Amino acid sequence: EPEVTQTPSHQVTQMGQEVILRCVPISNHLYFYWYRQILGQKVEFLVSFYNNEISEKSEIFDDQFSVERPDGSNFTLKIRSTKLEDSAMYFCASHQGAPGTTEKEQFFGPGTRLTVL
Amino acid sequence: DAKTTQPPSMDCAEGRAANLPCNHSTISGNEYVYWYRQIHSQGPQYIIHGLKNNETNEMASLIITEDRKSSTLILPHATLRDTAVYYCIVLNSGYSTLTFGKGTMLLVSP
Repeated sequence: EPEVTQTPSHQVTQMGQEVILRCVPISNHLYFYWYRQILGQKVEFLVSFYNNEISEKSEIFDDQFSVERPDGSNFTLKIRSTKLEDSAMYFCASHQGAPGTTEKEQFFGPGTRLTVL
Repeated sequence: DAKTTQPPSMDCAEGRAANLPCNHSTISGNEYVYWYRQIHSQGPQYIIHGLKNNETNEMASLIITEDRKSSTLILPHATLRDTAVYYCIVLNSGYSTLTFGKGTMLLVSP
């Protein structure tokens, strides 16, 4: 069964450093997402991406964050200058449907645990 | 914020049916009810969704009341591996972003 993969599984970085989290969505999917979950808290939406551009973003997704689909398979989340409060589990998700379709089943990856020291 | 209300926790004996309720009294006509679950430290997993008819798949059944203001997710024969946080999410057909609430922590015990 196809699945969303994410690398690395755990990333430790120093405050102020740049990190890139990588995701490989399911191959025929058109919509891509990043969510995060701070330890003990709710899963929060960060950004959605469709047709090579951001389609929606939350207030969390400020100028420190960016996303990119550098090739036909990878989908990345970059945090330019990490802060302590960026420590969280970051989940990538994808789904097949285009806008207007009713099938919104999102497939989530296993997550990357980011620890900022 | 999430447009649904769920109990914070529930217990279920292994092998019995788990019935997880969800209130979504402000749901509008073009909004679907989706259920996801999150097993500890893993990514959320889709379970089932519906608009107004009851739905069943290999994982669960979804019962939606006639007025669509509430629904129940049924796991017919819960196993220990069903221990997870279950999220009920109302989603407009035109949007894809999932808004997670706190969900229901289901503990399945032997």
